[in-house]
Amino acid sequence: QQPVQSPQAVILREGEDAVINCSSSKALYSVHWYRQKHGEAPVFLMILLKGGEQKGHDKISASFNEKKQQSSLYLTASQLSYSGTYFCGTEGRTGNQFYFGTGTSLTVIP
Amino acid sequence: NAGVTQTPKFRILKIGQSMTLQCTQDMNHNYMYWYRQDPGMGLKLIYYSVGAGITDKGEVPNGYNVSRSTTEDFPLRLELAAPSQTSVYFCASSYSIDSPLHFGNGTRLTVT
Repeated sequence: QQPVQSPQAVILREGEDAVINCSSSKALYSVHWYRQKHGEAPVFLMILLKGGEQKGHDKISASFNEKKQQSSLYLTASQLSYSGTYFCGTEGRTGNQFYFGTGTSLTVIP
Repeated sequence: NAGVTQTPKFRILKIGQSMTLQCTQDMNHNYMYWYRQDPGMGLKLIYYSVGAGITDKGEVPNGYNVSRSTTEDFPLRLELAAPSQTSVYFCASSYSIDSPLHFGNGTRLTVT
């Protein structure tokens, strides 16, 4: 039931862009994105509730392709503060569980 | 507003001991979750609750129990601790399945 993310890890230089993908084997009704810094709890970034929806704030945005059962997170002009592990998340088959994806470690270097 | 509060922050248990991880939230959220996160890994759902008196198993419930007698509290009980339960445990809450999850700061548990 766990969504699969790709890539598993990515290293960027400041100012570069990155895309993180989240794929599910089951139908997606909503997708959440979270960032977790080392030794801390995950922090909510955004929710996409409808297929085709795109959202963003600052230089981080996301899209949701309901038909392909995929979501992508876009980080543009990356900053050092973007470093961390990114998780997508979605509801389970019964609609009440909440599962996180496999995670993507992102490191931004000067 | 304290949000989601977890206690204790750290704990070391001997094999076979039992303990309860406390989680309380003051946001009147219906949904509450317990996750475990092993080093360098993702978050695995242990148990969840959609309201007082209602709990259900997640992906990895073996060795754990929960209760939800009030909207605010969702304690996680470990019976007969094993080294495989060494992990960081996060409690989270949300208003609904389509709402953001709010996390506590986690409990770092070591079983030796």
